[in-house]
Amino acid sequence: ELKVEQNPLFLSMQEGKNYTIYCNYSTTSDRLYWYRQDPGKSLESLFVLLSNGAVKQEGRLMASLDTKARLSTLHITAAVHDLSATYFCAVDSTSGSRLTFGEGTQLTVNP
Amino acid sequence: GEEVAQTPKHLVRGEGQKAKLYCAPIKGHSYVFWYQQVLKNEFKFLISFQNENVFDETGMPKERFSAKCLPNSPCSLEIQATKLEDSAVYFCASSPNMGGFYGYTFGSGTRLTVV
Repeated sequence: ELKVEQNPLFLSMQEGKNYTIYCNYSTTSDRLYWYRQDPGKSLESLFVLLSNGAVKQEGRLMASLDTKARLSTLHITAAVHDLSATYFCAVDSTSGSRLTFGEGTQLTVNP
Repeated sequence: GEEVAQTPKHLVRGEGQKAKLYCAPIKGHSYVFWYQQVLKNEFKFLISFQNENVFDETGMPKERFSAKCLPNSPCSLEIQATKLEDSAVYFCASSPNMGGFYGYTFGSGTRLTVV
């Protein structure tokens, strides 16, 4: 059974600082997704990572995937308050029939 | 349309009552997925469809949960005899292809409260 672990689960940052969220998973997969969720809202797609070594950047966020290490990272550069949200990674099954989500990282960016 | 439309947004049911949730996937998306999000952020997979065919139902509590995707109709998720533990937000997602190569688009969810 695929297991996905994120850390940290809670992250309080100061504006302007950098930090990385880690997503480890237990079985082979080469498709991983990052989502953002604001309180009471749906999941907003941030990144779709489809191969080993994939790196994508959007604004202050950059995501990477290492399928050999079964690890993805979401790096935050020079955090701003608007980035405060919960971030989820999700790993696709081999068949593409289901996603397995991490527990989520609740990010708070303080002025 | 370009969004996954879920109705209703909120649903309140007494224990033992039936609940029915609906999801209209993005036009042209053949794959539909249902997930349950409980209080501590945990997402649980329920079921997926390829058009009207069940793709993966390994997450479904089959004794009380059922789901359908019929042609020219929104997909539905039905819970017979709801229990307090069914209180959650139910998200639907759709995808144009198998394997998520274009990602998955999530709807805004239905918040089910069982009292």
